[in-house]
Amino acid sequence: EIVLTQSPGTLSLSPGERATLSCRTSQSVTSTYVAWYQQKPGQAPRLLFYGASSRATGVPDRFSGSGSETDFTLTISRLEPEDFAVYYCQLYGSSPTYIFGQGTKLEI
Amino acid sequence: QVQLVQSGAEVKKPGASVKVSCKASGYTFTSYGISWVRQAPGQGLEWMGRFSVYNGHTDYAQKFQGRATMTTETSTSTASMELRSLTSDDTAFYYCARDRGTWVDSWGQGSLVTVSS
Repeated sequence: EIVLTQSPGTLSLSPGERATLSCRTSQSVTSTYVAWYQQKPGQAPRLLFYGASSRATGVPDRFSGSGSETDFTLTISRLEPEDFAVYYCQLYGSSPTYIFGQGTKLEI
Repeated sequence: QVQLVQSGAEVKKPGASVKVSCKASGYTFTSYGISWVRQAPGQGLEWMGRFSVYNGHTDYAQKFQGRATMTTETSTSTASMELRSLTSDDTAFYYCARDRGTWVDSWGQGSLVTVSS
């Protein structure tokens, strides 16, 4: 079974800085099957990207998704106060199944 | 706009069953599947299964096979998820989400299920 590993577990940055969040898979995967979500406290997750780099409706362009094979990245170019949240990557795998990473907490 | 509205919080005793509902609006219900994802307090996301419109089947994560049942009622645009033989480890928020095949987009607000004696 494929394992997703997100790093770092916690990322401490300030507004205006650049954030780079990593999601690594234990085997090479099709980028079409990778998505990213944002979750704020007390809220449901929100889709940010699907197909690794396709931005969901309403997602600001300071967010970008990239990657291929085993390495995928979510980048926030200049952090806004509302961007501090937990971010999850997700892989659609065989069976079928969805696999989520353990999350990266982005904190001020 | 797409909305998924879930049923309210539940408190159940160990061994009992719970059924969570999810009413969809703002899109053609029969054109998309519904996935169910849960999140224990302070923990990450765990996919439980989904009804797929692509093959008309319901697929379950292995962990929930035989203990969860996911259904849809097209006349009311409502999806439901029943989980049986509850233990304290099942205490979690349960989310429904519109399934796009290889990702989910719109999410319900979540339903808290607490299992306690």
